[in-house]
Amino acid sequence: AQTVTQSQPEMSVQEAETVTLSCTYDTSESDYYLFWYKQPPSRQMILVIRQEAYKQQNATENRFSVNFQKAAKSFSLKISDSQLGDAAMYFCASISNFGNEKLTFGTGTRLTIIP
Amino acid sequence: DTAVSQTPKYLVTQMGNDKSIKCEQNLGHDTMYWYKQDSKKFLKIMFSYNNKELIINETVPNRFSPKSPDKAHLNLHINSLELGDSAVYFCASSHGRGSEQFFGPGTRLTVL
Repeated sequence: AQTVTQSQPEMSVQEAETVTLSCTYDTSESDYYLFWYKQPPSRQMILVIRQEAYKQQNATENRFSVNFQKAAKSFSLKISDSQLGDAAMYFCASISNFGNEKLTFGTGTRLTIIP
Repeated sequence: DTAVSQTPKYLVTQMGNDKSIKCEQNLGHDTMYWYKQDSKKFLKIMFSYNNKELIINETVPNRFSPKSPDKAHLNLHINSLELGDSAVYFCASSHGRGSEQFFGPGTRLTVL
């Protein structure tokens, strides 16, 4: 079974600054995928970034990047040059490449952007 | 050009009623899912279908029954609604395990 932990229920950052959201996970699998999803007030779930566990290189998508530490089972999200539109709930999630296709979510971090 | 659509977006009903939520995807994906998001925003998988076959059935009361008439549709029927069923229900679809799951807009169910 997989578990995902987000220890920061809320975070805030000044506009244009950088913020890092934490995520740790636990799995007995060797092959899995990790995701960060964003849920703005519209409640639409939007994929921010995806990481394949067998790839050592950290994934990046424009202002969003991850720090993937496989041995430590850590998968943090860095948002650079924060914008007002980044305000949302952010969910970390994992899925095994074996067994059933169950995406397991963390409890989320609410990010507030201060103008 | 909506990828994953759900109807209705809002559903308000009385305890004890039966209701359905419909989901359709036009992405050609083989796998579809239902998730429940509770009042604390926690998201949990309920069901998953692959090519119309049930592959995930989490510990969900029997009152919840998914139905997949074809690969592009996965509907959720709920019998004898209870107060605790109030939540946002999300449909999603994907090509498979490691692929991005595309989510619908969610259905906010309120049971009075």
